[in-house]
Amino acid sequence: AQSVSQHNHHVILSEAASLELGCNYSYGGTVNLFWYVQYPGQHLQLLLKYFSGDPLVKGIKGFEAEFIKSKFSFNLRKPSVQWSDTAEYFCAVKAASNTGKLIFGQGTTLQVKP
Amino acid sequence: EAGVVQSPRYKIIEKKQPVAFWCNPISGHNTLYWYLQNLGQGPELLIRYENEEAVDDSQLPKDRFSAERLKGVDSTLKIQPAELGDSAVYLCASSSSGSSPTGELFFGEGSRLTVL
Repeated sequence: AQSVSQHNHHVILSEAASLELGCNYSYGGTVNLFWYVQYPGQHLQLLLKYFSGDPLVKGIKGFEAEFIKSKFSFNLRKPSVQWSDTAEYFCAVKAASNTGKLIFGQGTTLQVKP
Repeated sequence: EAGVVQSPRYKIIEKKQPVAFWCNPISGHNTLYWYLQNLGQGPELLIRYENEEAVDDSQLPKDRFSAERLKGVDSTLKIQPAELGDSAVYLCASSSSGSSPTGELFFGEGSRLTVL
């Protein structure tokens, strides 16, 4: 069965620091990958997604993620975080052979100190 | 365009009582999902509908949970009777791309259930 693992449960950074959140998945077939973000008191919303082509994808608010197939990874990055990036971040995978079923990681809480 | 609407936002009940959650997806979205999110965890799929048909309910505890999506639009998730371990956030999501693997899910704000 497919699964998603996020390495960091809680990350604390100062403003302007660089961010990298790890995400690994277990599935041998073709996958589509997503990062969702949940700001305090708000609903989950899509940050970025990868389904084919350039493995480096850019999302909203300066976020990007790189798909490394050989490592089964899809790490999220941002060169300089802001206080407003404080939120919970979820990596998710949807296997092409199991269409419609989005599997989430356990989430990473990011706290950015002003 | 209105997003996914869920109600109630918060519900507190005693164990063994029934509870129901309602979801209205984005207009035109044929696929509807119910997810369960426990504290400190990612969402877990309970059930997925394609129009009015439940196409994946393998994770739904059918002894106490039930769901319906009459007419293929809004949906209701029911728990009867509720147990202490059911305390969680129940998320509804919808998408327009059906079984397409690249489709984005749009989430509602969730219904937070506390069972005492």
